[in-house]
Amino acid sequence: EAQVTQNPRYLITVTGKKLTVTCSQNMNHEYMSWYRQDPGLGLRQIYYSMNVEVTDKGDVPEGYKVSRKEKRNFPLILESPSPNQTSLYFCASNFGGPGANVLTFGAGSRLTVL
Amino acid sequence: KQEVTQIPAALSVPEGENLVLNCSFTDSAIYNLQWFRQDPGKGLTSLLLIQSSQREQTSGRLNASLDKSSGRSTLYIAASQPGDSATYLCAVVLNSGYALNFGKGTSLLVTP
Repeated sequence: EAQVTQNPRYLITVTGKKLTVTCSQNMNHEYMSWYRQDPGLGLRQIYYSMNVEVTDKGDVPEGYKVSRKEKRNFPLILESPSPNQTSLYFCASNFGGPGANVLTFGAGSRLTVL
Repeated sequence: KQEVTQIPAALSVPEGENLVLNCSFTDSAIYNLQWFRQDPGKGLTSLLLIQSSQREQTSGRLNASLDKSSGRSTLYIAASQPGDSATYLCAVVLNSGYALNFGKGTSLLVTP
């Protein structure tokens, strides 16, 4: 089944403890992206990647890192999480970027930072 | 910066009604406009994508229109059903093509 898989789906952690949210897609998509969703603010883009080793910042990249070493994987790294990074995170992918095609979204990862 | 606004924020209708969800955007230089559905605990599901050169798209009971010059789109849902209850999100892609700019959504409840 064609899908975008995120892990973990739920995580509670403490301030400063490094964590990685993984994202994997099995559709050979070049484009992958991370969004966060917060009440009253909607969905905002964190980072995106147009292909392997090609990444760029979205609207809210502060406090996050990404890497794209393989086409299928696009992990989101929080080096030193803070409470303001408590959010619902979504990974998405497609061929050619959102200007070209619809995106396939993962089911989301709910992160709580205490 | 592109602002995307959705009105109303919440809507409750009885089953069987036809309804319209509204989306407006401030920058008319868009690649496309997309409508999504979000169910609690699940990801976003793409409903319709309208390219900037198009005026509307239809899928089943859903019809989305786009008026780029006035910065407006509507999502029309015919003969609503309880299973249509969800949050509906509108998003535009600017001419850079790399990101979706989302509205805050309309929460729809269809009561039996």
